[in-house]
Amino acid sequence: GAVVSQHPSRVICKSGTSVKIECRSLDFQATTMFWYRQFPKQSLMLMATSNEGSKATYEQGVEKDKFLINHASLTLSTLTVTSAHPEDSSFYICSATRTGANYGYTFGSGTRLTVV
Amino acid sequence: KQEVTQIPAALSVPEGENLVLNCSFTDSAIYNLQWFRQDPGKGLTSLLLIQSSQREQTSGRLNASLDKSSGRSTLYIAASQPGDSATYLCAVRPGGSEKLVFGKGTKLTVNP
Repeated sequence: GAVVSQHPSRVICKSGTSVKIECRSLDFQATTMFWYRQFPKQSLMLMATSNEGSKATYEQGVEKDKFLINHASLTLSTLTVTSAHPEDSSFYICSATRTGANYGYTFGSGTRLTVV
Repeated sequence: KQEVTQIPAALSVPEGENLVLNCSFTDSAIYNLQWFRQDPGKGLTSLLLIQSSQREQTSGRLNASLDKSSGRSTLYIAASQPGDSATYLCAVRPGGSEKLVFGKGTKLTVNP
């Protein structure tokens, strides 16, 4: 149990375009989802926390107009990178958990974004 | 502010060896602690979740212990295999927070 599916696994886009990444919890209701960014050989950096039906809470320094997060249902959150630039190229990972402190966190398989 | 430290940063062992990865955290007020592995270019795979009231969890060749009062956890891997090569991450969920706090990881290489 507790499977999170993330798509696409890889995407290449042109500068100035937008890219949407999907994160789905397949067998549980994800009340809270998280989006991370990871640079090569570095730790995960939390970008934002989203709760179903609410606006996402962004970490300091993360541009909310560039990284649009939508958590419209208990099984789906999306991250849209708007007006992408080469510096947005990175590995993006989502995770999900349920209400209650006893639950752990399940991560998606990640999306490698390359902006050319 | 909760901080998580993992030692060693890298470890290389021959196949078949038993090994221990260490994780320490500065604030004992946690809900739980979770061990993950990350393969290159992949997401995180959850290995073991230990609640704050628990002392250890086991799954196959893996055993994780938690000593909340001293702020320590260890991940024991028995009879290591080349397929165990990955980066192992320790993360705590602080009390009153939904945000995991990660260590920087231990990169494990198991040589055939």
